[in-house]
Amino acid sequence: NAGVMQNPRHLVRRRGQEARLRCSPMKGHSHVYWYRQLPEEGLKFMVYLQKENIIDESGMPKERFSAEFPKEGPSILRIQQVVRGDSAAYFCASSPYGINTEAFFGQGTRLTVV
Amino acid sequence: DQQVKQNSPSLSVQEGRISILNCDYTNSMFDYFLWYKKYPAEGPTFLISISSIKDKNEDGRFTVFLNKSAKHLSLHIVPSQPGDSAVYFCAASDDNYGQNFVFGPGTRLSVLP
Repeated sequence: NAGVMQNPRHLVRRRGQEARLRCSPMKGHSHVYWYRQLPEEGLKFMVYLQKENIIDESGMPKERFSAEFPKEGPSILRIQQVVRGDSAAYFCASSPYGINTEAFFGQGTRLTVV
Repeated sequence: DQQVKQNSPSLSVQEGRISILNCDYTNSMFDYFLWYKKYPAEGPTFLISISSIKDKNEDGRFTVFLNKSAKHLSLHIVPSQPGDSAVYFCAASDDNYGQNFVFGPGTRLSVLP
């Protein structure tokens, strides 16, 4: 059973471009979480999704950021018109039930905006 | 407002001794707590958890203690090993809080040989 797979591992974008980060949860997991880790900071919750539904997006910036978890395929975190401040490590986690269970993390995507 | 706090950014411990990592929280609705370990350039890995109905949970060298009245939990590692050197994140969740996890800022543990 492969773990949570994130790709790409590293992504470089110029200011104003779009960044797409992909996350394939562990097999059998239908709950996906996205976190952002800024340099020298902890993990900040962004969004929690179940298949085809956004459950909690209270941590998502109001503009330029969106997330989806379609019925088929990976979860996508999309950042439009990236700015330097978006440079961070973005981690995806998945869990089987979502309630009081540990989440398993992917290795992260390091986004660098130049 | 930081709901989960880890006030020690770093901790150094001699190999073989006990490491104690502390975590405080402010939201009394949190009822499930987890510790994650993170190595550089890797994702966090789950270490141990505790439900609010317990005050202690043990798994090998790792023990987590929960003091609900003080809104405090701690992770004990004994004996500490050099491979334990990593950043440790405390996380908390609440069924009523969107079922997501709130992480502390982390404590960097260095176990010296």
